[in-house]
Amino acid sequence: TQLLEQSPQFLSIQEGENLTVYCNSSSVFSSLQWYRQEPGEGPVLLVTVVTGGEVKKLKRLTFQFGDARKDSSLHITAAQPGDTGLYLCAGENFNKFYFGSGTKLNVKP
Amino acid sequence: NAGVTQTPKFQVLKTGQSMTLQCAQDMNHEYMSWYRQDPGMGLRLIHYSVGAGITDQGEVPNGYNVSRSTTEDFPLRLLSAAPSQTSVYFCASSYTRDSPYEQYFGPGTRLTVT
Repeated sequence: TQLLEQSPQFLSIQEGENLTVYCNSSSVFSSLQWYRQEPGEGPVLLVTVVTGGEVKKLKRLTFQFGDARKDSSLHITAAQPGDTGLYLCAGENFNKFYFGSGTKLNVKP
Repeated sequence: NAGVTQTPKFQVLKTGQSMTLQCAQDMNHEYMSWYRQDPGMGLRLIHYSVGAGITDQGEVPNGYNVSRSTTEDFPLRLLSAAPSQTSVYFCASSYTRDSPYEQYFGPGTRLTVT
């Protein structure tokens, strides 16, 4: 099993604050993905990172893949209530995906 | 496009019963997969398929069977349901021509085994 550990598990912040979610593993992955999941729905892909050291930005969200392709981070600037949800990272090797246990984010107005 | 559809949305089974969870996609995706999501454990891969006629095991395949006779459909069969299979099941699909994969998930099936 290729384990992915996410931290923190829970995060409750005020609107306008910044936050960072971490996804760490001892395994190297070909690619790493971040998803957001709303209650009662399937995960929705936010971004895929492939190259070690890669940084991708999606509006207020910044994603980084570690140089060794073992870890990743998601940084949200000026969080909004609409960012509330479960954030999942997933590493891929040889057609198989391994998910972290998720970070539940609550952004209070 | 309907995307990835799953039926049923909810199901209650008694221990020992069998059933099939249906998954279909209309995006002509080669890659399809099944996951289960349990509280505090994220999603775990059960089985996957890289194309019609090809299936392989994921992380937690025991107690589940799959087949892929068409590109569109990827049913998951529970042969003899057990309470440990109570979970939310998600089907996903993506192209394999493009790397890396971009998975599209269905809405899920919530299964309870009593």
